[in-house]
Amino acid sequence: DVKVTQSSRYLVKRTGEKVFLECVQDMDHENMFWYRQDPGLGLRLIYFSYDVKMKEKGDIPEGYSVSREKKERFSLILESASTNQTSMYLCASSRTGQNQPQHFGDGTRLSIL
Amino acid sequence: AQTVTQSQPEMSVQEAETVTLSCTYDTSESDYYLFWYKQPPSRQMILVIRQEAYKQQNATENRFSVNFQKAAKSFSLKISDSQLGDAAMYFCAYRAGSARQLTFGSGTQLTVLP
Repeated sequence: DVKVTQSSRYLVKRTGEKVFLECVQDMDHENMFWYRQDPGLGLRLIYFSYDVKMKEKGDIPEGYSVSREKKERFSLILESASTNQTSMYLCASSRTGQNQPQHFGDGTRLSIL
Repeated sequence: AQTVTQSQPEMSVQEAETVTLSCTYDTSESDYYLFWYKQPPSRQMILVIRQEAYKQQNATENRFSVNFQKAAKSFSLKISDSQLGDAAMYFCAYRAGSARQLTFGSGTQLTVLP
């Protein structure tokens, strides 16, 4: 079974802090994704990566950056956290291929005070 | 841009009964894939069923089946013999054939009544 592990289930940070969310997958997947999930809005894509050191912006990249130094690890960075970034963050990975599904981690509930 | 619409924020079904969750999408692509994901209260999102747009036959996975109407751009999920463990948030998702990323709908919260 694919395992996608997010480093924290719950995280509380203060406005202005630099925040790192880590995600690791164990299935050698090429693609990794970061979403935020908010009630009534579903999942919105922040960034994704299709290879080491490669990244592409999703629908809502403002205020975020990402890092993929190794194939199995994909980090989401909030450069200067703001209260409107309080949300559930989901990481996913997938193999490249026509009907390959994405596999998700458990999510990180991030609160910015 | 592609959009995915789930018009039912909440649904409920009696245990052992059948329920259908609606999903429509907007695309100009001819090659694409559609997915239903389930997110139980424990939060991990899991794949329920997938459909390739080029296949006319509706996908089926045990008690879960889809009604894929390509011309109408509709992709509904039918859950038969509903069980308490089916209670979850259900998300419809779309992926263009050439893309890696998914576009999700806003979700439908399903409650199963004993």
